Amino acid sequence: ILNVEQSPQSLHVQEGDSTNFTCSFPSSNFYALHWYRWETAKSPEALFVMTLNGDEKKKGRISATLNTKEGYSYLYIKGSQPEDSATYLCAFGSYNTDKLIFGTGTRLQVFP
Amino acid sequence: GEEVAQTPKHLVRGEGQKAKLYCAPIKGHSYVFWYQQVLKNEFKFLISFQNENVFDETGMPKERFSAKCLPNSPCSLEIQATKLEDSAVYFCASSPLREGTNQPQHFGDGTRLSIL
Repeated sequence: ILNVEQSPQSLHVQEGDSTNFTCSFPSSNFYALHWYRWETAKSPEALFVMTLNGDEKKKGRISATLNTKEGYSYLYIKGSQPEDSATYLCAFGSYNTDKLIFGTGTRLQVFP
Repeated sequence: GEEVAQTPKHLVRGEGQKAKLYCAPIKGHSYVFWYQQVLKNEFKFLISFQNENVFDETGMPKERFSAKCLPNSPCSLEIQATKLEDSAVYFCASSPLREGTNQPQHFGDGTRLSIL
């Protein structure tokens, strides 16, 4: 059974704070790690897809790192804004399959 | 279209009735995925298609659930004899390329299925 764990489950921060959360995944048969941003009642929005150990990707104030040897990825948000409030989902993809295994997400709330 | 379109947004059925959900992938995307979201934020993979062919159905319950992607029609997910535990949001996603897990998947807004 493949497990993808995300921590923390939820996070409340003040506007302007920087924050980060973790995604842990199996280190064997790794193919790709996805991050999605999801607001309830909307569609999950792809943030990053990372495939190489040591990958770092950035999109505005959001960045992510990847360590495939130890099986974790960090997502960072610099200077959080209320519009960053959402659930952040990571998903693991392995070889020989197209399906993604999702974590349960980190729910972020940014207070003005 | 430029977005994955799922219909209906909300579907209510009595226990034992049939439910049918639809998904139109982004034009030009060959791969379609269905996920079931029941508790908290857990997205459970159900089935994937490459065009009209089933690619991976390891997540599909053996009974009552079926899915199709026919040419020139929206893809569909059908649940026969629905049960209370089928209540969930069902998400469809599409992807352009063969190796789906190294490409972002583009999600629809989901269909909320409520079984009463």
